[in-house]
Amino acid sequence: GAVVSQHPSWVICKSGTSVKIECRSLDFQATTMFWYRQFPKQSLMLMATSNEGSKATYEQGVEKDKFLINHASLTLSTLTVTSAHPEDSSFYICSAPGGLTSTDTQYFGPGTRLTVL
Amino acid sequence: AQTVTQSQPEMSVQEAETVTLSCTYDTSESDYYLFWYKQPPSRQMILVIRQEAYKQQNATENRFSVNFQKAAKSFSLKISDSQLGDAAMYFCAYRRGSGGSNYKLTFGKGTLLTVNP
Repeated sequence: GAVVSQHPSWVICKSGTSVKIECRSLDFQATTMFWYRQFPKQSLMLMATSNEGSKATYEQGVEKDKFLINHASLTLSTLTVTSAHPEDSSFYICSAPGGLTSTDTQYFGPGTRLTVL
Repeated sequence: AQTVTQSQPEMSVQEAETVTLSCTYDTSESDYYLFWYKQPPSRQMILVIRQEAYKQQNATENRFSVNFQKAAKSFSLKISDSQLGDAAMYFCAYRRGSGGSNYKLTFGKGTLLTVNP
């Protein structure tokens, strides 16, 4: 299957600061990437769809100014949590459809654990 | 809107035995994909198996197989010869039809599988 990486794998920051999370497709190009948020023992909640060269599409209830998404190239999407607060603490996962054979299957990054103090 | 329902929050199985995880979904589309993802304690989402709706034959991947009942909108996962490494959260997911890499996944709430030695 295709490989998706995320960096950092975990981050601790102070309330009010901004944090950037990177998502990279390592062996394929992805014009689309997805960003999810997952609380403990819960399912994945889609936050936004990242589109290379255009604006991201946010799900209802997700603050665009809070969660900035930039899809700068065909292999990199970034999620910036601006002015982070303790309620933003969560596990953030990205995914990208594709690989060598099909764009019908999404492959996931290992996730980033964000803790805001 | 599409919905995915996993009615078993938790399941357990003895090592080497067989277990079946249930999933039902609701859609008005005729062309779609169904997936089972595994999320072990590391929280890395791993694709277990996928099924194209237009295929009548049930997908299989080694010890993993599905029972896809399109008319009943049911998509269960059977794990044979269960191993300790199968212990994880399992998510059923739906994606609408082919042609668009930006089609998002809809996840069920997950089933936590415990494998007893």
